[in-house]
Amino acid sequence: RKEVEQDPGPFNVPEGATVAFNCTYSNSASQSFFWYRQDCRKEPKLLMSVYSSGNEDGRFTAQLNRASQYISLLIRDSKLSDSATYLCVVGSLNTGNQFYFGTGTSLTVIP
Amino acid sequence: NAGVTQTPKFRILKIGQSMTLQCAQDMNHNYMYWYRQDPGMGLKLIYYSVGAGITDKGEVPNGYNVSRSTTEDFPLRLELAAPSQTSVYFCASSGLAGVTDTQYFGPGTRLTVL
Repeated sequence: RKEVEQDPGPFNVPEGATVAFNCTYSNSASQSFFWYRQDCRKEPKLLMSVYSSGNEDGRFTAQLNRASQYISLLIRDSKLSDSATYLCVVGSLNTGNQFYFGTGTSLTVIP
Repeated sequence: NAGVTQTPKFRILKIGQSMTLQCAQDMNHNYMYWYRQDPGMGLKLIYYSVGAGITDKGEVPNGYNVSRSTTEDFPLRLELAAPSQTSVYFCASSGLAGVTDTQYFGPGTRLTVL
């Protein structure tokens, strides 16, 4: 079983739409959770950390459900510039100081 | 700050050749990581280091070696390159908090083995 699983998409949405991505992780002892954004042929960059209480950054909202071991990302009012691949990342100390990456969910925002 | 830098940006190797991918960070981060990313796949951890002189294997270490003689540098050595090592290689670093901290990535090295 993969450590982190994401729906690869692709998600093609019109500008202004709301889109949600989910991610599940297998290690219940995982300690940290992130969404990274990766543009084509570029390095991943942190979009936001994810906390149990949920957190919001402008049009982006992230949620963590530890009981069900899933993480979500909601993007409201999608912009063309949101087109990218979104990577779900989980950090685990009990397997060494390692981060585990999902394969990414591809988003294209259409004019 | 330059952040995390990687050289070279691109490289083509012949089967059986060796090379070293360079990675440096100027953020005084303890933790450094090497990943590979194959097309349509997630990043897979090759090796990581929690500080100078300490390295450990990740998920896919075979065919690679690392060293960490300073806090700043974390080179990745490929011995006897094989076509299966064709990939994009990313180096990353994170601060004292390790896996609870943000990772900062270098721009990547695109390696082709023919």
